[in-house]
Amino acid sequence: AQRVTQPEKLLSVFKGAPVELKCNYSYSGSPELFWYVQYSRQRLQLLLRHISRESIKGFTADLNKGETSFHLKKPFAQEEDSAMYYCALSPAGTYKYIFGTGTRLKVLA
Amino acid sequence: DAGVTQSPTHLIKTRGQQVTLRCSPISGHKSVSWYQQVLGQGPQFIFQYYEKEERGRGNFPDRFSARQFPNYSSELNVNALLLGDSALYLCASSYGPGSMNTEAFFGQGTRLTVV
Repeated sequence: AQRVTQPEKLLSVFKGAPVELKCNYSYSGSPELFWYVQYSRQRLQLLLRHISRESIKGFTADLNKGETSFHLKKPFAQEEDSAMYYCALSPAGTYKYIFGTGTRLKVLA
Repeated sequence: DAGVTQSPTHLIKTRGQQVTLRCSPISGHKSVSWYQQVLGQGPQFIFQYYEKEERGRGNFPDRFSARQFPNYSSELNVNALLLGDSALYLCASSYGPGSMNTEAFFGQGTRLTVV
């Protein structure tokens, strides 16, 4: 079955602390993986995708095929990072996203 | 560019009624996808359309249907509404198959409440 699991519904960290949002996936082939973010009162928007291997707003995510994980990390959290984060998988050859249930990140002052 | 636009923003319907939701993609995008997001869950894929043809369908009953028009806008129809259809319906547009850019841009959604 194709599935994305985000085990934490809520993650609270203090400003300046490291952040790791967990994402595990279940897929037999080579998926394309994404992190989407939704800030308060804004629409869902792409944060980063694994094929780009880039850092956006200080966030990085590495695809670990052995552990079937795509965790999102940031070394020093900022208050403006507070948002809802969704991990998503797009099976090869399709144009759909399979989303996880999301993790709400709260960065405390 | 206004981005992906959806209408209406909010809607209240009675059980058994039918509803039509509308989506206008970003200019240049030829693919539109629909997602249902129930409170506390991530978006769940319903349909994808590209060049007016259905390219993918999620695990939703036949009460759900959609179409895409020559200008690439799209409508999602839901018949015989159930209380469980209450959700945020999201539309996403992208360039579509054949493009190296697979990023999907989401609209603000239509909040459907079935009473």
